[in-house]
Amino acid sequence: DTGVSQDPRHKITKRGQNVTFRCDPISEHNRLYWYRQTLGQGPEFLTYFQNEAQLEKSRLLSDRFSAERPKGSFSTLEIQRTEQGDSAMYLCASSTLDRGDEQYFGPGTRLTVT
Amino acid sequence: AQSVAQPEDQVNVAEGNPLTVKCTYSVSGNPYLFWYVQYPNRGLQFLLKYITGDNLVKGSYGFEAEFNKSQTSFHLKKPSALVSDSALYFCAVRDITGGYNKLIFGAGTRLAVHP
Repeated sequence: DTGVSQDPRHKITKRGQNVTFRCDPISEHNRLYWYRQTLGQGPEFLTYFQNEAQLEKSRLLSDRFSAERPKGSFSTLEIQRTEQGDSAMYLCASSTLDRGDEQYFGPGTRLTVT
Repeated sequence: AQSVAQPEDQVNVAEGNPLTVKCTYSVSGNPYLFWYVQYPNRGLQFLLKYITGDNLVKGSYGFEAEFNKSQTSFHLKKPSALVSDSALYFCAVRDITGGYNKLIFGAGTRLAVHP
C-alpha cells in the first residue's frame, strides 16, 4: 500500500475565494471519508463515499461545501466563498470492509483563510 | 449519540516507565473502539481496535488497550514508554447512526515522554 495521499498539503487563501482539495485513497479501498480537524480538537466527520456514491453528509457540511468521487477513485472537496471559520486541517481517510474496515488517514490539507 | 471522552489533555511520563492514556465511551449497542496516534504534520495512524473478544487488545508499536465494559473505558497502555512515543493520541468510537460507518473522536491527549 502506498497510503492515502492528499494535495495540497497547505493552502492559504483569502476570504471569499474558492478552494479545492484532492484525496487519493489506498488503491483497493472502496470507502472514502472526509474529516475536519481544528486546533485542539479531534477530527469531525464531514462526508462518506462508497465507491462513487456519496452516502452520508454531516450537518457540518454547509451548502458551500461539495465533495465528489468520480469513478470511485480519487475524491475532491471544494469549499466555495471561504470564510475564516473554514480554517482547519482537512483529513481524508479510506477503508475496505475486506480488511477490517479500519480507516487509514492521509497527511491532511491545512487550510488558512485570511 | 455515540461519544468518547479523553479526560486528560496531557500525560507526562518518564522514558522506560509504563504509560496509560485514558478513554471512556458512551454508546448504544456494542462498541467498536479505536486508538489513533498523530505526529506533527502527519495524518492519524491506526494503532489498534476493539470489536469483540479478548478485553486486552494488542496493537502497533507495543501499544495495547484494555476494554472494560463495566467502567465503559478503553485505556491505552504501554509497558515501557519511549521518547519517540511523544505524540497526540485520539480515542474513537464507530458511529453507524445514519446507516454508515464513521468515527467519532475524542479531543485528544498529548503524551510527553521525558528522557
